[in-house]
Amino acid sequence: QSVLTQPPSVSAAPGQKVTISCSGSSSNIGNNYVSWYQQLPGTAPKLLIYDNNKRPSGIPDRFSGSKSGTSATLGITGLQTGDEADYYCGTWDSSLSAGGVFGGGTKLTVL
Amino acid sequence: EVQLVESGGGLVQPGRSLRLSCAASGFTFDDYAMHWVRQAPGKGLEWVSGISWNSGSIGYADSVKGRFTISRDNAKNSLYLQMNSLRAEDTALYYCAKSDIWGQGTMVTVSS
Repeated sequence: QSVLTQPPSVSAAPGQKVTISCSGSSSNIGNNYVSWYQQLPGTAPKLLIYDNNKRPSGIPDRFSGSKSGTSATLGITGLQTGDEADYYCGTWDSSLSAGGVFGGGTKLTVL
Repeated sequence: EVQLVESGGGLVQPGRSLRLSCAASGFTFDDYAMHWVRQAPGKGLEWVSGISWNSGSIGYADSVKGRFTISRDNAKNSLYLQMNSLRAEDTALYYCAKSDIWGQGTMVTVSS
């Protein structure tokens, strides 16, 4: 049972938009920045969004993040077949008492 | 190039020990907290342990507390995870992570 709650799967057609939700509590999302990771099959997680809504260099602006209270959302526009992957939300507690917490992951299928 | 390279995984019997290593390059290692995160086959991500830049703050998941020990050697740009009393449920791909950069992982299989 993951600490953060994500839908197990989402799907949409190429070119469309999809959102993935992530729900937590005041002890994680409510008091920490949210990150989003993309994990393509057989590869390590790759950072897509950090500090709730910032994109690392090289991540296209088709990917966006937002946070409100104890929930966060990842948005992907202009879906491409290459976006098919597992997506994870997570927070990192700087005190290390809780360390990192993650959602269970959402499988994105581009139909 | 920023890089994290894990090593030390393998097949081990229940109750035995294993030590994982992570070699960091391309960034100032001692500026950052570091973590171990694992992923069981077909499952999601599970944070295992984290250590602050100066080893002054350390945390463990309840599932490994008392069995695993995280450490780092800033002079060697290296992170370690000593895993004792291994169980079948510890079987996973273990990632070294800096929160924004993850290694490719090292597989640990606990089986008799």
